[in-house]
Amino acid sequence: QVQLVESGGGLVKPGGSLRLSCASSGFSFSDYYMNWIRQAPGKGLEWVSYISSSGGTTYYADSVKGRFTISRDNAKKSLHLQMNSLRVEDTAVYYCARASIRQLALLDPWGQGTLVTVSS
Amino acid sequence: DIVMTQTPLSLSVTPGQPASISCKSGQSLLHSDGKTYLYWYLQKPGQSPQLLMYEVSSRFSGVPDRFSGSGSGTDFTLKISRVETEDVGVYYCMQGIKLPLTFGGGTKVEIK
Repeated sequence: QVQLVESGGGLVKPGGSLRLSCASSGFSFSDYYMNWIRQAPGKGLEWVSYISSSGGTTYYADSVKGRFTISRDNAKKSLHLQMNSLRVEDTAVYYCARASIRQLALLDPWGQGTLVTVSS
Repeated sequence: DIVMTQTPLSLSVTPGQPASISCKSGQSLLHSDGKTYLYWYLQKPGQSPQLLMYEVSSRFSGVPDRFSGSGSGTDFTLKISRVETEDVGVYYCMQGIKLPLTFGGGTKVEIK
């Protein structure tokens, strides 16, 4: 079945870096746009970034622009989020989600999420 | 950015009774292609969000028909005709007409 599994979360100090990954299975990964969405503890959902199916187009929320980089490896069917200059406010569960080819905001499925904690 | 405002913040519902959630957007979600890019997601306790509705009123695959969506322009509503215990969780509206994608603050639905 269609599945997304995130990994790479953990505890990191402010100013540090972390690379998240999202492994896909059950669908033709290279045909779909992909997104990262995050959820701070006890808070709502915040969209972070998207990448086109080829990887040629990316877009970021202002809150992470210049610090985070989204990428994908279609051969390995995986999505990544390189997070640099991390701040305490980046603490959140990070979800990857597949976007419909025709509608960027039609997000299904979502992965189970990976927790990133930024703390000294 | 398009601001999405949901009300109420929380809702306590007796099983079998209806429930309604409102979502207002800061600008029209009607695209020039004729579609309105408003979505509803449900995050059940301890789970990842899941898609319920797209383009205001289209139920996603597997979503029971007790869920319905309505509205146009900037005002939208998600209705549950008869709430069941499995419907508990936080409901989020989201706009998809313009980047960045933005979510409403969420409405927590509990069972009385």
